[in-house]
Amino acid sequence: GESVGLHLPTLSVQEGDNSIINCAYSNSASDYFIWYKQESGKGPQFIIDIRSNMDKRQGQRVTVLLNKTVKHLSLQIAATQPGDSAVYFCAVLEYGNKLVFGAGTILRVKS
Amino acid sequence: EPEVTQTPSHQVTQMGQEVILRCVPISNHLYFYWYRQILGQKVEFLVSFYNNEISEKSEIFDDQFSVERPDGSNFTLKIRSTKLEDSAMYFCASRKTGPTEAFFGQGTRLTVV
Repeated sequence: GESVGLHLPTLSVQEGDNSIINCAYSNSASDYFIWYKQESGKGPQFIIDIRSNMDKRQGQRVTVLLNKTVKHLSLQIAATQPGDSAVYFCAVLEYGNKLVFGAGTILRVKS
Repeated sequence: EPEVTQTPSHQVTQMGQEVILRCVPISNHLYFYWYRQILGQKVEFLVSFYNNEISEKSEIFDDQFSVERPDGSNFTLKIRSTKLEDSAMYFCASRKTGPTEAFFGQGTRLTVV
């Protein structure tokens, strides 16, 4: 089965700096990847996704990078704001429809 | 904007009792999920449901758990005889077919005492 993990459990950044959150996955056949943001007491909220035929995708202040060679996914947040403080999860859609989450990274933004 | 809704938001139950957690997925979605999240931990997959049957389930989803889509809108998770370790947030999610994101509800906090 799929195994998804993150390198850093907690990331503290200064307001205005860029944040990078990393994720490793194990199943090379995975072809769809999602980043979710979870604020305290709420459900995961979609941020951005990427398919395996791409290596980069940009949204508003966020960029997802996919390196299939090393099975690594990252989320970059530009000009991090206090409202970005949350837990961030990567998730991988396995063959079929099982969506597997990574361990999560706590992002703390210092003002 | 369509959203996944879950009820109740908080449920307290005695150990050994049955609980039913309810979800209304987004109406044109085809895949439905239940996840569990113990406080401060990762979001754990429990089960996926498609075309009125379970398509995948995890080791956590044992005989004490069941899911049902009793009508065209509701999707329920039943725990037959709750244990203390079932205390967690339970999230329902749904998505369309193909490589699309899953939309999550706000969760039900289950407390087993």
